[in-house]
Amino acid sequence: GENVEQHPSTLSVQEGDSAVIKCTYSDSASNYFPWYKQELGKRPQLIIDIRSNVGEKKDQRIAVTLNKTAKHFSLHITETQPEDSAVYFCAARQYGQNFVFGPGTRLSVLP
Amino acid sequence: EAGVAQSPRYKIIEKRQSVAFWCNPISGHATLYWYQQILGQGPKLLIQFQNNGVVDDSQLPKDRFSAERLKGVDSTLKIQPAKLEDSAVYLCASSLVGGVAETQYFGPGTRLLVL
Repeated sequence: GENVEQHPSTLSVQEGDSAVIKCTYSDSASNYFPWYKQELGKRPQLIIDIRSNVGEKKDQRIAVTLNKTAKHFSLHITETQPEDSAVYFCAARQYGQNFVFGPGTRLSVLP
Repeated sequence: EAGVAQSPRYKIIEKRQSVAFWCNPISGHATLYWYQQILGQGPKLLIQFQNNGVVDDSQLPKDRFSAERLKGVDSTLKIQPAKLEDSAVYLCASSLVGGVAETQYFGPGTRLLVL
């Protein structure tokens, strides 16, 4: 079955700097890759996603890139703000299968 | 639009006791998921319903966990008897029809502590 790894497990950046979180997946049939943000004690919320027929997607300060050959995708947050501090989860999914989540990255944005 | 509702929000029980969680998905959402999220880990799917039918329960520990969605709307997840390792947040999520690239909306979760 699918296996999703995520790095780093923790990340601290200064406010205004960029943050990058990388996920790798094992099943080349996976074709949908969402990213979720989970603030302490709150529910996971979708922040951006990408399908396998697209290499990059941007939404304001957030972008996701996908390398199908290498089977990895990355979340990029620019101009980080304290409210970006949270745990970020990546996931992978293919048709007929369910989401497999990565273990999460705890991002701390230091003022 | 009302979100996914779950209750209770917190539950503390002793091992070998029983516990039940309730979920009400977003109105009109056919697909409902139950996830277990152990502290420091990503959510792990326990069971997926499409209307009132089970689509995937391959990771549900069926000797102690059960779930139902009798009328295709609300769902309950039960643990009987509970073990210490069941301590986790149980998240319910729903989506419109369960398509591959469809957004899942999560509920606030039920935090379970088994002593």
